[in-house]
Amino acid sequence: DAGITQSPRHKVTETGTPVTLRCHQTENHRYMYWYRQDPGHGLRLIHYSYGVKDTDKGEVSDGYSVSRSKTEDFLLTLESATSSQTSVYFCATESDKKALGYNEQFFGPGTRLTVL
Amino acid sequence: KNQVEQSPQSLIILEGKNCTLQCNYTVSPFSNLRWYKQDTGRGPVSLTIMTFSENTKSNGRYTATLDADTKQSSLHITASQLSDSASYICVVSGQAGTALIFGKGTTLSVSS
Repeated sequence: DAGITQSPRHKVTETGTPVTLRCHQTENHRYMYWYRQDPGHGLRLIHYSYGVKDTDKGEVSDGYSVSRSKTEDFLLTLESATSSQTSVYFCATESDKKALGYNEQFFGPGTRLTVL
Repeated sequence: KNQVEQSPQSLIILEGKNCTLQCNYTVSPFSNLRWYKQDTGRGPVSLTIMTFSENTKSNGRYTATLDADTKQSSLHITASQLSDSASYICVVSGQAGTALIFGKGTTLSVSS
């Protein structure tokens, strides 16, 4: 978790409300990722960023949007939360300096979101 | 379809015993395979990363093996401790620029 913080850590909200989750890193890593983790599934990629203002969709991007205005911050927004978006959300970062041919991803502590 | 399958789904062992977790994958082309440990309520933490040319790598009491021919990996934990209780996730990286593929994890419980 070192160098990556997520806020809030826990949130309960109602269906139809907008929600923004924040990921902040102090590692100056170029790449940032948002994943969700649900029982019975491996971590699934929602969106990722390969630089300031450069983002792209992942496997499960429907209902989510992201923004990255600074290297250190990556925001995940649920425009209108639904119960199916109840999950644990993890942010991850990755440098662009390959060591031994691969980059390692580092994960934040997670945000537990409950949509009622 | 690129997939990562882990077994068993869960495992209970006594403190001090050894155990082995399995990972089979169908990802092609293959770049590297990672094992992560995830404590309850925390984010995953990397244990080992192995490329195609590596067939074993250790990190303390954790030893990972890789057979790229059969597309299988194992994580062996020696002399287990209560702090080893966690979920262990196998992750495969395919060609550069593609997303990591995560297994569902094996939940290990070490009891005294």
